[in-house]
Amino acid sequence: QQPVQSPQAVILREGEDAVINCSSSKALYSVHWYRQKHGEAPVFLMILLKGGEQKGHEKISASFNEKKQQSSLYLTASQLSYSGTYFCGTEIEGGSEKLVFGKGTKLTVNP
Amino acid sequence: GAVVSQHPSRVICKSGTSVKIECRSLDFQATTMFWYRQFPKQSLMLMATSNEGSKATYEQGVEKDKFLINHASLTLSTLTVTSAHPEDSSFYICSARDHIIWGAEAFFGQGTRLTVV
Repeated sequence: QQPVQSPQAVILREGEDAVINCSSSKALYSVHWYRQKHGEAPVFLMILLKGGEQKGHEKISASFNEKKQQSSLYLTASQLSYSGTYFCGTEIEGGSEKLVFGKGTKLTVNP
Repeated sequence: GAVVSQHPSRVICKSGTSVKIECRSLDFQATTMFWYRQFPKQSLMLMATSNEGSKATYEQGVEKDKFLINHASLTLSTLTVTSAHPEDSSFYICSARDHIIWGAEAFFGQGTRLTVV
């Protein structure tokens, strides 16, 4: 039931772009994206709901392919502050609101 | 915005003792809250779903007698790690979603770093 994230790690130079993918074998109701820095709690980035609604930060964009149960997070013009581990959390249909998280993608942005 | 508060942030306890962790939703009500455990450099692993006024739902492989969960009100859930052992040392974190808002995001507490010595 755990979603699969790829890649496991990405290293960028400041200003470069990155895409992080998340896929599930289950029919999804929503996909949530979070960024976590070492020793801290995850911070909400984006939620994508079945049916097309999205909520999140202005500078973050993402997509959700409901048929393929896949989501992608797009990080453009990366900044040093984007460094951290990105997790997707998936909520399956009829899953009582619980989120199951992927193993994470570690993003490092260098000057 | 909505905030989830978790306490304590750090605790060190002796092997064999019990530790209670509190999770509060500060400005919204949550009929369910979720408890996760995270080992270093690993993912957030869902342990259980805390249900207000009823028994918690545990994920496969999680010992319900060891990790006691109580959800006595719409804003408070507690996790008690009983008879803690060094292998229980981990980062425990709770989350909650506003049950009134459709498609609400999950807010996380600050997390509790438990060290059992």
